[in-house]
Amino acid sequence: AQSVTQLGSHVSVSEGALVLLRCNYSSSVPPYLFWYVQYPNQGLQLLLKYTSAATLVKGINDFEAEFKKSETSFHLTKPSAHMSDAAEYFCAVSESANQAGTALIFGKGTTLSVSS
Amino acid sequence: DGGITQSPKYLFRKEGQNVTLSCEQNLNHDAMYWYRQDPGQGLRLIYYSQIVNDFQKGDIAEGYSVSREKKESFPLTVTSAQKNPTAFYLCASSVAGTGLRNEKLFFGSGTQLSVL
Repeated sequence: AQSVTQLGSHVSVSEGALVLLRCNYSSSVPPYLFWYVQYPNQGLQLLLKYTSAATLVKGINDFEAEFKKSETSFHLTKPSAHMSDAAEYFCAVSESANQAGTALIFGKGTTLSVSS
Repeated sequence: DGGITQSPKYLFRKEGQNVTLSCEQNLNHDAMYWYRQDPGQGLRLIYYSQIVNDFQKGDIAEGYSVSREKKESFPLTVTSAQKNPTAFYLCASSVAGTGLRNEKLFFGSGTQLSVL
């Protein structure tokens, strides 16, 4: 079965600092991986996704993530944090090995705090 | 504007009562999903539907029921059998439920359910 582990439930950075949110996955098939962001009291928005094309994926708001098969990782980074980046971030892996559904398995989430 | 609408935003349930959470989408998506979000646990799949008049249980379906009589609607009923219903419930949809593991999920803004 597929699973996702997000290391660190809470990450704090200063404005302008590098953001690094960690995600490791397990999957018996080549995975499709996603990062979603959730602002307070809102639904989730897709930041970026990996679908077996380029291993370095660029998303919205200058976020990017690199798929590393040898490390089973898909860490999310941003060169310079903004106050508006403060939110909860979820890593997810596509559940099905076949074509019969696209329900995602989510990690437990990482809360990003940004201080001035 | 196209999107997913969840209502109500806040809902209170009395002991032994069934309550229904509404989810409507005008994106013409085939697939719809219900997730439950608890602090520190991320999102867990309750039910999903790939097509009208069909739905499948997710990881935590016990105490919940759904229907999919119309493409645009996927209501979730929290029954009295669900002993710990307090959570944030998120509805989502995707274009096609019968394929494309790399599909993007579109989320509603959520319903916070609390027990009185």
